[in-house]
Amino acid sequence: NAGVTQTPKFQVLKTGQSMTLQCAQDMNHNSMYWYRQDPGMGLRLIYYSASEGTTDKGEVPNGYNVSRLNKREFSLRLESAAPSQTSVYFCASREGAIYGYTFGSGTRLTVV
Amino acid sequence: GDSVTQMEGPVTLSEEAFLTINCTYTATGYPSLFWYVQYPGEGLQLLLKATKADDKGSNKGFEATYRKETTSFHLEKGSVQVSDSAVYFCALNDRGSTLGRLYFGRGTQLTVWP
Repeated sequence: NAGVTQTPKFQVLKTGQSMTLQCAQDMNHNSMYWYRQDPGMGLRLIYYSASEGTTDKGEVPNGYNVSRLNKREFSLRLESAAPSQTSVYFCASREGAIYGYTFGSGTRLTVV
Repeated sequence: GDSVTQMEGPVTLSEEAFLTINCTYTATGYPSLFWYVQYPGEGLQLLLKATKADDKGSNKGFEATYRKETTSFHLEKGSVQVSDSAVYFCALNDRGSTLGRLYFGRGTQLTVWP
């Protein structure tokens, strides 16, 4: 099925460990996004990529890095995980300005 | 800046009751407006959208009308079902912006009892 695929679905990290969250879309969308979802906070934008080869910071970029590897893939890296990064992470992509996002199913990350 | 404010939950209703979830927005340009739904353990799914003033988005019995004069996009359903229990998010996109991001409200938890 066409859509946005995120891996892994669940992950537990120890403080200070690093990891990369993977995201791939097969809809030929130009724009891709990483959000985190926390109780009572809604969705907050971490980073986004308006097109292949470009990335920009969102509202909460500290502690994260991203790579837009090609048009399909947009990864999010935590270099040194902290308990404050415990959250559900969603990747999304979009065709154009008047269209909504297509979301992945999320990665539930716990940092202990 | 652009922002979305939606009514806080949780909202608890009996099956077949009427649903309204309020959403108002602030935007500097000409936004498109969206409602997303998130079922437990899943990602967000687009429920409906409206791209210009007075447009009505509809899907699965849900409706919302883009009201520029009141800067609102309230979600309504005439008769809710248990299967509608989920979190609902209002969102906007400023089409005049080059950033291309969506701004989300904080979400409203809906629980429908049989």
